[in-house]
Amino acid sequence: AQSVSQHNHHVILSEAASLELGCNYSYGGTVNLFWYVQYPGQHLQLLLKYFSGDPLVKGIKGFEAEFIKSKFSFNLRKPSVQWSDTAEYFCAVMLAAGNKLTFGGGTRVLVKP
Amino acid sequence: SQTIHQWPATLVQPVGSPLSLECTVEGTSNPNLYWYRQAAGRGLQLLFYSVGIGQISSEVPQNLSASRPQDRQFILSSKKLLLSDSGFYLCATTGTGFVYGYTFGSGTRLTVV
Repeated sequence: AQSVSQHNHHVILSEAASLELGCNYSYGGTVNLFWYVQYPGQHLQLLLKYFSGDPLVKGIKGFEAEFIKSKFSFNLRKPSVQWSDTAEYFCAVMLAAGNKLTFGGGTRVLVKP
Repeated sequence: SQTIHQWPATLVQPVGSPLSLECTVEGTSNPNLYWYRQAAGRGLQLLFYSVGIGQISSEVPQNLSASRPQDRQFILSSKKLLLSDSGFYLCATTGTGFVYGYTFGSGTRLTVV
């Protein structure tokens, strides 16, 4: 069965530190990849997505992610985090020919001021 | 742009009582609709999805059911709630395409006591 794994459940770091969140998936076909963020008390929001083309995608708020097909990975990065990046981050995958989004378990990120 | 309305925002129900959560979508027609549950400390789990009126696919066997009586209305129900049904329920739509991923509603926090 298809699955999405996020390696870290909780991450704590200081402002200006770099952030990298891992995401691996197990799908056999062509996939569409997403990262969502949920700030405290807010809706899930789309950070960035990958459908095709350049495997390094840039999203909102300075986030980027790199699709490495050979590793079935789609890791999220931000060079320098801010306190306002405190949130829960979800990786999600959809088969290109499908209509269901499968989420990873999420990573709670706490940025200390 | 499409928007999702979910209600109620918070619900406390006793074990064994019925449940009805409603989700309506605006700004699109014939959308794909989804119910997800986010349990404490866990990721987002797809419960049901619908590609049209009266068409429901269940992802996880459980105590819940879903219905789609109208094009832009999606209802999550239970005849008798269990303690394990507690969680955060999210309705989502992809509208008529997946280009922008999913749009999520604001969610319903259900506590079964």
